[in-house]
Amino acid sequence: AQSVTQLDSQVPVFEEAPVELRCNYSSSVSVYLFWYVQYPNQGLQLLLKYLSGSTLVESINGFEAEFNKSQTSFHLRKPSVHISDTAEYFCAVSDQGKFYFGSGTKLNVKP
Amino acid sequence: EAGVTQFPSHSVIEKGQTVTLRCDPISGHDNLYWYRRVMGKEIKFLLHFVKESKQDESGMPNNRFLAERTGGTYSTLKVQPAELEDSGVYFCASSQGQGWGNTEAFFGQGTRLTVV
Repeated sequence: AQSVTQLDSQVPVFEEAPVELRCNYSSSVSVYLFWYVQYPNQGLQLLLKYLSGSTLVESINGFEAEFNKSQTSFHLRKPSVHISDTAEYFCAVSDQGKFYFGSGTKLNVKP
Repeated sequence: EAGVTQFPSHSVIEKGQTVTLRCDPISGHDNLYWYRRVMGKEIKFLLHFVKESKQDESGMPNNRFLAERTGGTYSTLKVQPAELEDSGVYFCASSQGQGWGNTEAFFGQGTRLTVV
């Protein structure tokens, strides 16, 4: 069975500081990994995904995540956050299209 | 191209009433999923349609929930009668592909259901 753990429910950080949102998964099969973001009053948007190939994947707004098979992790990082990054972030694994989500991490970027 | 559309965006109903949520997937997507997030917990799978057929409904909480996808286009999720614990955000998602080729789902904005 697949499951996803996001240990941090909330992460406060100052603007321009680096941030890491942690995600660990368990799966008995090969999986695809995703980070989704939900901005206030909006729906879920795909931030980045790992399907195969390079274990380091990047988003268009400066986030990156690295698939680490030995540690079963897919942590999300950004070297310098902006106020506009304030949102809730969800890590997920996909098994033939069916998603298993973590409980979400609220990133609060302070000026 | 239009994304996944859900209606209504918000719904407040009294315990015991009936509510119907609607989802319009991306045109051409055979796969349609319903998910639910209750009280800030994780987003949980409810069920999966492939065209008009229910592929997997293992996440449906009880028989008060009825999902349909007549004609394999839009889907409805009816809750009858609604209970307080049904409050949450209901997400719909759609995708292409089959089996291991089914890799990415596109999500709607969700319907926030509040049962009072």
